[in-house]
Amino acid sequence: GAVVSQHPSRVICKSGTSVKIECRSLDFQATTMFWYRQFPKKSLMLMATSNEGSKATYEQGVEKDKFLINHASLTLSTLTVTSAHPEDSSFYICSAAEASGRFYGYTFGSGTRLTVV
Amino acid sequence: GNSVTQMEGPVTLSEEAFLTINCTYTATGYPSLFWYVQYPGEGLQLLLKATKADDKGSNKGFEATYRKETTSFHLEKGSVQVSDSAVYFCALQDSNYQLIWGAGTKLIIKP
Repeated sequence: GAVVSQHPSRVICKSGTSVKIECRSLDFQATTMFWYRQFPKKSLMLMATSNEGSKATYEQGVEKDKFLINHASLTLSTLTVTSAHPEDSSFYICSAAEASGRFYGYTFGSGTRLTVV
Repeated sequence: GNSVTQMEGPVTLSEEAFLTINCTYTATGYPSLFWYVQYPGEGLQLLLKATKADDKGSNKGFEATYRKETTSFHLEKGSVQVSDSAVYFCALQDSNYQLIWGAGTKLIIKP
């Protein structure tokens, strides 16, 4: 079946530095990728939707200058947390929809646990 | 707008007990409905899905039926195992193919 590889699975960084998270679709073309954030004891929060070759669409309240999303190819999307602060510590998950856009294409990455110290 | 409500956790059961996790939704049109599971330290996995009214999704002994009349998609399993301990998320897919999530229900199964 469809596989999405998300890397790294865990990262610890110092406050003020930037961290890049990669999300790759391994055996299908993902025209749309979604980035989620999960707060402790809370549900997933959609951060942004990225379409290959165009600017990401951010949800209300998500700082686009802080959470940079790039979707340069049909198999790769990246989320860069810039100037990270401890409050950015969270679990970030990507999901990818295959070209047809139907739900059959939804596949989730394994998530990235970001800890900012 | 669209929304998903699921029962609060944690839900604690003994092994081999019957499981029900309630999920109700509010949506315009005819959304697709999903249950996702997140095992400790892992990402989300699709557990089962249903695309239209009266459909029953099933996987790994879990079942859920799409009930349009009650706008529900309750997750059930006849006999739970310790390995079923996880967080379960109910979700619907809206007309833009985005997923609307419930808050998640933590399930704890004791031996």
